[in-house]
Amino acid sequence: SQTIHQWPATLVQPVGSPLSLECTVEGTSNPNLYWYRQAAGRGLQLLFYSVGIGQISSEVPQNLSASRPQDRQFILSSKKLLLSDSGFYLCAWRWTQSTEAFFGQGTRLTVV
Amino acid sequence: SQQGEEDPQALSIQEGENATMNCSYKTSINNLQWYRQNSGRGLVHLILIRSNEREKHSGRLRVTLDTSKKSSSLLITASRAADTASYFCATDEVSYGKLTFGQGTILTVHP
Repeated sequence: SQTIHQWPATLVQPVGSPLSLECTVEGTSNPNLYWYRQAAGRGLQLLFYSVGIGQISSEVPQNLSASRPQDRQFILSSKKLLLSDSGFYLCAWRWTQSTEAFFGQGTRLTVV
Repeated sequence: SQQGEEDPQALSIQEGENATMNCSYKTSINNLQWYRQNSGRGLVHLILIRSNEREKHSGRLRVTLDTSKKSSSLLITASRAADTASYFCATDEVSYGKLTFGQGTILTVHP
């Protein structure tokens, strides 16, 4: 069976500090991978998605970046966090286009 | 950018009543999906309807899709308190790989 791991569950970081959120998927190969951000009481904003190693599509230009160093690993990074980066970050995967997505449990990031 | 827009933003009903949520979108899609999110958790997939389908059922869920109007609806019949959650539509656009979510509808079912 397939599982998705996302960590940490909560994170409090000072403004200007770096960020690294990791997401890994087990039990599948070459998944489509996604990073979303959700502000309190709002919908999901698509940040990055990847349909294969070395392929990263960015949806929202900002001080975040994503990398896919391995087939089933997706990393969200920032060199210097802003207060506006606070939110609930969700990683998701799916087999391919036109299939359902499976979500991790999310990381609640608070930038102080 | 947000693709789907759900309506209403919030819905409060009594147990046993039906709940209807609507979703509108803008671009061409391969399929439209509905998800559920309990507070502070990840999303769970409920149902997927393809662009060449008009209606689909799964248990107490009924989804319709009108591609000419670029809209979809999710009906939950005989609601239960456990159905209390946020519900999101997601559009799987023709452009490869992109899955975009709307703002969601917060459903509260009172016992």
